[in-house]
Amino acid sequence: EAQVTQNPRYLITVTGKKLTVTCSQNMNHEYMSWYRQDPGLGLRQIYYSMNVEVTDKGDVPEGYKVSRKEKRNFPLILESPSPNQTSLYFCASSLNSYEQYFGPGTRLTVT
Amino acid sequence: QKEVEQNSGPLSVPEGAIASLNCTYSDRGSQSFFWYRQYSGKSPELIMSIYSNGDKEDGRFTAQLNKASQYVSLLIRDSQPSDSATYLCAVNPRNTDKLIFGTGTRLQVFP
Repeated sequence: EAQVTQNPRYLITVTGKKLTVTCSQNMNHEYMSWYRQDPGLGLRQIYYSMNVEVTDKGDVPEGYKVSRKEKRNFPLILESPSPNQTSLYFCASSLNSYEQYFGPGTRLTVT
Repeated sequence: QKEVEQNSGPLSVPEGAIASLNCTYSDRGSQSFFWYRQYSGKSPELIMSIYSNGDKEDGRFTAQLNKASQYVSLLIRDSQPSDSATYLCAVNPRNTDKLIFGTGTRLQVFP
């Protein structure tokens, strides 16, 4: 089954404790992206990647890191999480940058 | 001015009616336009894409694009309670590899 998977689905952590949210797709898509979704603000892009070893900042990259060492994986790293990073996070992938397919989401709470 | 604007709703329509959802965008050079459906607690799901002026029909869904007026709309015919969700408009601005999302319109279809 073609899909985008994310882990973990739910995470509660404390300020400053490094964490990684994994994202994997099995559709051989070149483009992958991370979004956060907050009430009233909608979906905002954090980082995206056009291909292996190619990453670019989206609209809200501060406090996040990504890497793209393999085509199928695009982990999101929070080196020192803060409460304002409490959000719902989505990974997405597509053949180009347009018709994107989303993972199930990761709900992160930073206390 | 927001790059992609949608009325947050809720838009309430009776079962069997036509639901009309609208979206305006600010970048006149935008080329690609998308409608996503998001059920509560779930990830966005791509339901329609449109790239040229006019109408595009897919089952009960019709996307309409008017580049001169910078708006894109989604019509849902014979609305069903299962159509109740938040509908997100997404636009690909010119010379970018990203999607900009509106904050979504919540649709409620009542029996």
